[in-house]
Amino acid sequence: EVQLQQSGPELVKPGASVKMSCKASGYTFTSYVMHWVKQKPGQGLEWIGYINPYNDGTKYNEKFKGKATLTSDKSSSTAYMELSSLTSEDSAVYYCAREEGNPAWFAYWGQGTLVTVSA
Amino acid sequence: QIVLTQSPAIMSASPGEKVTMTCSASSSVSYMHWYQQKSGTSPKRWIYDTSKLASGVPARFSGSGSGTSYSLTISSMEAEDAATYYCQQWSSNPPTFGGGTKLEIK
Repeated sequence: EVQLQQSGPELVKPGASVKMSCKASGYTFTSYVMHWVKQKPGQGLEWIGYINPYNDGTKYNEKFKGKATLTSDKSSSTAYMELSSLTSEDSAVYYCAREEGNPAWFAYWGQGTLVTVSA
Repeated sequence: QIVLTQSPAIMSASPGEKVTMTCSASSSVSYMHWYQQKSGTSPKRWIYDTSKLASGVPARFSGSGSGTSYSLTISSMEAEDAATYYCQQWSSNPPTFGGGTKLEIK
């Protein structure tokens, strides 16, 4: 069974950075691209970018370049996202989602990590 | 980027009623995916490649469309179908989502 287990909620101060994790199990980690998606409270979904754990190749939504950095660790089957220079606009739930299929879609989702930016 | 506009934003239906929600793209796309999200939970894959049901999705759901107009239909509303549904495209970068249709049970 494919599972994506995300790290717990974060309370961070404005200007700080936060790094969250997404541990994959139930499949070969390097065989599938991992995406990250943002959802602000009560709002819709926004694609941040993806990482290919096979070769660490990344692609970002232009809007999140300089804000998000995606990495992965093959040894632990874990994907990471670091958000920098946090503001209140970054307060949201962040999901990791595994890609599948052709045309590709987001077939499996983590439970989400809530990031709250507050002084 | 391609903007997806879902309508209506909010709707309600009685048990047994037929439900149709639409997703309009700002430019032509080759397909549409749909996700279901219930309050406090992560989105679930629901319909992919316009009309294919994900594993476990009831047969009362269907998807159709082409070009700039796509729809999701429930043939007979059930209480468990109350949720927010999002459409999503990746015909061109970046992948984008619609704003969602919140479906409530009457």
